[in-house]
Formats: sequence, structure tokens, C-alpha cells
Amino acid sequence: EVQLVESGGGLVQPGRSLRLSCAASGFTFDDYAMHWVRQVPGKGLEWVSGITWNRVTIGYADSVKGRFTISRDNAKNSLYLQLNSLRPEDTALYYCTKGTSGYYFDYWGQGTQVTVSS
Amino acid sequence: SYVLTQPPSVSVAPGQTAGITCGGDNIGSGTVHWYQQKPGQAPVLVVYDDRDRPSGIPERFSGSNSGNTATLSISRVEAGDEADYYCQVWDSATDHRVFGGGTRLTVL
Repeated sequence: EVQLVESGGGLVQPGRSLRLSCAASGFTFDDYAMHWVRQVPGKGLEWVSGITWNRVTIGYADSVKGRFTISRDNAKNSLYLQLNSLRPEDTALYYCTKGTSGYYFDYWGQGTQVTVSS
Repeated sequence: SYVLTQPPSVSVAPGQTAGITCGGDNIGSGTVHWYQQKPGQAPVLVVYDDRDRPSGIPERFSGSNSGNTATLSISRVEAGDEADYYCQVWDSATDHRVFGGGTRLTVL
């Protein structure tokens, strides 16, 4: 059974940093791209960032480029998202998702909440 | 950046067929994927590659994609289908994944 478990969210002041983690199990982690998708409470889904299995291709939404950094440790079956220079508009539930060759997401974690507020 | 447009809401009576549209410039030239999200839960993939269903998704869920519009159809709608539905594509120009704004399906 595929499982994606996010952690690391919390309440943080504007301008500060946070590191999110996603522990993956139930599939061969280093065979797949992984992504982060976020959702502002009561709003829609927004793709944030993605990384291929071999880290060769990394992408970011324009809204986070230059502030967020995605990474992965295939030996630990883990995905990460470093959030720097956080803004109130980054407040959202952050989901870890498993990518596919077809550019969609077939499994999602339950999310970790990030709240940026003074 | 590529934009996907969905109606904010769709209402349908139980047993009827619901159609949720997703509009985008020449969206039919690519593939569209659909997710269902119930309150307090993570999204679930219900249709991928325009019309394929993951294991465990009922045959009542189907999709089509042509021209500037993709459609998710849910036949014989049940109360349990009430949820938000999102379409998603891959924007080859930017290598970004793009979501539509979402459609709330209400079962009357």
C-alpha cells in the first residue's frame, strides 16, 4: 500500500523558514518523480514544485521560485521542501504527491499545514 | 501561463448524469486528469489520460477531451459523489502542472 506522510508544518512568522518532509513507502521511491501541491483553506489546488527520480529536472511554480527548494533522498525514501522568505500568502495545506510518467498524481498524502502569520 | 476554467458549481439530482467541464486553449491536444476531493480529505485521482480510471474507481466516472473543452461525466450520481472536482494538465511550455479552479458538485 502506497503511503505518503508529510511533516514539518507549523506556525511561522513572515520572512522565516520551514522545512517540510514526506516519508514514502509502498512503492519503489527512486523510480518516480515527486511533487508538492498546496491548497489554501477553502480554495483550489496549486502545484508548487516537482523533482524527477534522479533530480535532473526540478520545477517550481512562479509564485515560489527563488524562495522554495525541493529535494529528495532516495536512500531514505524521503521528499523535502525548504520554504524560505515565507509570506502570509504561503499559508496552505501542503500535500506530497507521487508523480507518474503521464504527468499526473496518483497518490497523495494527507498534508501538513503551514501558517505564516505574525 | 496556461489557464484552465471550470464552473464553480454544478448541481444534479440523484440518478442523473453530471457533467463537469474544463476549458483551456486547445486542451484537446493534450491529456487531462481529474481529481475528486471530499471535505477534509486529500484529493483522489478519478480519471487520468482523458478517460482512463484508476483501479477502484467506478465505471460511472468517465471523461472526454476535444477542442477547447474536457468533460468529466458522472452517471447515476449518488449522494456520495458530492465533492469538489479538479481538472489538471501538464503545460509542456513550462513543464508545470496546472489545475483548474475546481467545481463543487452538489447532489440535490
